[in-house]
Amino acid sequence: QSALTQPASVSGSPGQSITISCTGTSSDVGGYNYVSWYQQHPGKAPKLMIYEVSNRPSGVSNRFSGSKSGNTASLTISGLQAEDEAHYYCSSYTSSGTWVFGGGTKLTVL
Amino acid sequence: QVQLVQSGAEVKKPGASVKVSCKASGYTFTGHGFSWVRQAPGQGLELMGWISANNVNTIYTQKFQGRVTVTTDTSTSTAYMELRSLRSDDTAVYYCARVYWNQGRIFDIWGQGTMVTVSS
Repeated sequence: QSALTQPASVSGSPGQSITISCTGTSSDVGGYNYVSWYQQHPGKAPKLMIYEVSNRPSGVSNRFSGSKSGNTASLTISGLQAEDEAHYYCSSYTSSGTWVFGGGTKLTVL
Repeated sequence: QVQLVQSGAEVKKPGASVKVSCKASGYTFTGHGFSWVRQAPGQGLELMGWISANNVNTIYTQKFQGRVTVTTDTSTSTAYMELRSLRSDDTAVYYCARVYWNQGRIFDIWGQGTMVTVSS
């Protein structure tokens, strides 16, 4: 199972919006609505930010939103804040009965 | 509160085995499965395998098949991951994460991570 494809880095200024893409195949992203996004700050464990493509867990800011089209999922962060600077990983359940992660995207808030 | 607390850092020699524990609290242990995810220094997240609630299923990713075993002990609400035949490239932080199957098949709660260093 190959890793999902994410851009290595994205950046934006405070207040702006950014979008991170996550491309897989019909055996993972395209075949299931079980796409999740995780935020990871340096030295910390990942934190769930989006699940089932577009749902936010309780406590996650509504500045975070998700979507999917075909084999590509996307995470959008609006109204960028300094605290959003982190690595972001997408994940999808797969036809193998396991999960696959994306390679991760480093978000820099300028 | 719901939390997973992992065992402490380990230093192992090549060829040895390591067993990392993950103690759960704050919820019904048998209601959820566990996944094990590792992260090499400066690298991304990599799923090693997972065990479903009540130990019904255990699935390992191909890369780790035959070298990793994931188990649970319901009497102590603890999950375990054992990795054998350690190599230097197994040096990584190992995380356990709760699998919430019925809500998006997500990893909703994570342990703090256990650093495993493999060095001669």
